[in-house]
Amino acid sequence: GAVVSQHPSRVICKSGTSVKIECRSLDFQATTMFWYRQFPKQSLMLMATSNEGSKATYEQGVEKDKFLINHASLTLSTLTVTSAHPEDSSFYICSAPTAEETQYFGPGTRLLVL
Amino acid sequence: RKEVEQDPGPFNVPEGATVAFNCTYSNSASQSFFWYRQDCRKEPKLLMSVYSSGNEDGRFTAQLNRASQYISLLIRDSKLSDSATYLCVVNPSGGYNKLIFGAGTRLAVHP
Repeated sequence: GAVVSQHPSRVICKSGTSVKIECRSLDFQATTMFWYRQFPKQSLMLMATSNEGSKATYEQGVEKDKFLINHASLTLSTLTVTSAHPEDSSFYICSAPTAEETQYFGPGTRLLVL
Repeated sequence: RKEVEQDPGPFNVPEGATVAFNCTYSNSASQSFFWYRQDCRKEPKLLMSVYSSGNEDGRFTAQLNRASQYISLLIRDSKLSDSATYLCVVNPSGGYNKLIFGAGTRLAVHP
């Protein structure tokens, strides 16, 4: 099946710093990618839709100035958590749909903000 | 009301048991439906799509009832390796669109 990678897989940072997470579709092109967040024992919640060549679409309650999304190419989307705080600690997962509309998920990035 | 609701779980079953998970969704116009499996601290992986006519993949059978807005997953002859969280997922609009996840039902299969 299609492969989606994420980097880094785990990051620990100090409060107030910014963290960039990359999501790549390795063997297919994705004009759209999705960013999710999952807190412990909760389900995945969509944060935003990343669109190649245009602005991201954010879900209600997600601050676009805090979670910066850039869809630089047809295979790369980045999520930057700016001025991270402990409450931003979570599991961040991206997904990308193939031409057949099946969504494949990246392995996730575990963020811990101290 | 949540957009996708699932049995709370956890389900603790012995090997070889048959177990059924239920799910309801609130948006009657939803286009496509899936069951995903998520192992602890891993990303979700597609288990199977769910079609109106019902579909089967080995030990797994999925059913969709659009009138009742109800989705089910049946696992027969449970294996230890089936232990995971099963996520009911709905695509409200079809196409390259967002997925709505249920909270998941945890399954633990014991020897």
